[in-house]
Amino acid sequence: EVQLVQSGPEVKNPGESLKISCKGSGYSFTNYWIGWVRQMPGKGLEWMGIIYPDDSDTRYSPSFQGQVTISADKSISTAYIQWSSLKASDTAMYYCVRHRLSSSWFDYWGQGTLVTVSS
Amino acid sequence: EIVLTQSPGTLSLSPGERATLSCRASQSVGKNNLAWYQQKPGQIPRLLIFGASIRATGIPDRFSGSGSGTDFTLTISRLEAEDFAVFYCQQYGSSPLTFGGGTKVEIK
Repeated sequence: EVQLVQSGPEVKNPGESLKISCKGSGYSFTNYWIGWVRQMPGKGLEWMGIIYPDDSDTRYSPSFQGQVTISADKSISTAYIQWSSLKASDTAMYYCVRHRLSSSWFDYWGQGTLVTVSS
Repeated sequence: EIVLTQSPGTLSLSPGERATLSCRASQSVGKNNLAWYQQKPGQIPRLLIFGASIRATGIPDRFSGSGSGTDFTLTISRLEAEDFAVFYCQQYGSSPLTFGGGTKVEIK
């Protein structure tokens, strides 16, 4: 069974750093792209970027380029997204998703990680 | 960036009725590079349709997708109680991948 299991909810202060994870199982982790999708409270879905874990080829949406860093450790089938300095506007649910290709639909979703940034 | 506009914003219907949801792209997404997702409150999105008209595994045949280029439609032939949710379209014809703003299908 394909699963994407994300790390737990986070509460952070503005200016703090954060790295959240997404562990894939039940499939060949290095043969699929992993993407990240943001959903702000009460809002729609926004694609942030993707990584191909086999060679760490990474691509970002222009809206998120420079705002986050996506990485992966294929030895433990885990992808990450990180922020160096959080803002209140980063408060959102973040989903990892599996892509078959760099440009494709998302066939599996992680359960989501809620990030709350508040002083 | 391709902008996807979904309409209507909210659709109020009764169980058993037919739902027709529209997704219009600001430029062509290619022949069929469009997917549809359903998201119920407090749940993760679920893939319904990819390739504009191909149902994902386990999706009932009351859900159907059609269209190409810039105009796409998701149809639910007869709404069941569990179908009420927010529906999003997503294009993957060009990067960045983008979503529509969503259509909420609510019980009338």
